[in-house]
Amino acid sequence: QQPVQSPQAVILREGEDAVINCSSSKALYSVHWYRQKHGEAPVFLMILLKGGEQKGHDKISASFNEKKQQSSLYLTASQLSYSGTYFCGTEYSSSARQLTFGSGTQLTVLP
Amino acid sequence: NAGVTQTPKFRVLKTGQSMTLLCAQDMNHEYMYWYRQDPGMGLRLIHYSVGEGTTAKGEVPDGYNVSRLKKQNFLLGLESAAPSQTSVYFCASSFHLNTEAFFGQGTRLTVV
Repeated sequence: QQPVQSPQAVILREGEDAVINCSSSKALYSVHWYRQKHGEAPVFLMILLKGGEQKGHDKISASFNEKKQQSSLYLTASQLSYSGTYFCGTEYSSSARQLTFGSGTQLTVLP
Repeated sequence: NAGVTQTPKFRVLKTGQSMTLLCAQDMNHEYMYWYRQDPGMGLRLIHYSVGEGTTAKGEVPDGYNVSRLKKQNFLLGLESAAPSQTSVYFCASSFHLNTEAFFGQGTRLTVV
């Protein structure tokens, strides 16, 4: 079952903040976040495991709310290089062996 | 260190033709995956492998077959291509579950 990402698209000015959400109707074991620039391969950002931990990667961080079955990706003081499509991938158990991706959130950062 | 390499990068097929996409990784990863990416659909898992000699179906396996005869290679076959298989195909590999997946550069396939 595909996770639902919101918003589908967002346009920011350089320096502004953004939040991308990833929700599931099933209990989550882990959430993976990737960024893909146009015409390129997806690139790994971070993984969050069941337990509600928050991780950070430069000015990009994420949280995992087990009760809400949701993860949020926070982009702080966005840079032009943050532009791209962000995908969340979800695993529903420790033995799932499958990563199911959402349909993506297109982020555009303008100067 | 090449990472994940996909061959070919572009291909145009006629309906009914067959072809094989090759994915090679040099990171000694156990897990390998084939995804297709269509506009507005994100990445959908076709087949995956958790080790040499093993394969399993993903979300959208119909019309595709795979083989993992060597640990470093994962082949995706289309026996009789259909226009609905027009897509960008990505191969990925990871060391284990819950570890970073590395993606190849993609193969853009058009079936006419």
